Amino acid sequence: DAGITQSPRHKVTETGTPVTLRCHQTENHRYMYWYRQDPGHGLRLIHYSYGVKDTDKGEVSDGYSVSRSKTEDFLLTLESATSSQTSVYFCAISEPLGGNIQYFGAGTRLSVL
Amino acid sequence: AQSVTQPDIHITVSEGASLELRCNYSYGATPYLFWYVQSPGQGLQLLLKYFSGDTLVQGIKGFEAEFKRSQSSFNLRKPSVHWSDAAEYFCAVVREGNAGNMLTFGGGTRLMVKP
Repeated sequence: DAGITQSPRHKVTETGTPVTLRCHQTENHRYMYWYRQDPGHGLRLIHYSYGVKDTDKGEVSDGYSVSRSKTEDFLLTLESATSSQTSVYFCAISEPLGGNIQYFGAGTRLSVL
Repeated sequence: AQSVTQPDIHITVSEGASLELRCNYSYGATPYLFWYVQSPGQGLQLLLKYFSGDTLVQGIKGFEAEFKRSQSSFNLRKPSVHWSDAAEYFCAVVREGNAGNMLTFGGGTRLMVKP
């Protein structure tokens, strides 16, 4: 998985609780991304980062926030989890000079009850 | 807005048969095109990519894809499918000049392989 570690790999939580997912990379890539995967929708971009402390919204950012305090870590936070946020979350990385290729982590399966 | 369509949600083929998975995109400019494969419980693995040049590109695991600008398509093919090819396949595009390198994915095609 191209030096990308997602944690936790599985999480079950209750509606209304905060949740933080972590993505850690060892490739020193500039760009990092958070996607969610739902049946029939492929992967949809939640947020992305183009450098330390530089982030922007994707197409499904409502209810999510992100932070990137150092190159290797990109955190995704659900401030108050809802059942509609039950999904599989993937982190990806890319390097602008690397031909726009994104490399993906193994995913985090989140269930919000 | 950019979009990617994979018309076939499920495809079943017999082992040894040929395979073609369809992908259509909507863009005004030249896109960068990708095919990814996802095995159950795994992340996505890049199969192949098209940036420019020869419109027939070769990838890993014996896959190839052909870019047809006139049809806005980037179909994935394999001449002889193996049981280990059973997985979900995603087509994706990056709009040229997109500073964030943001991918837009199709909905995926799940491939099942019959013995």
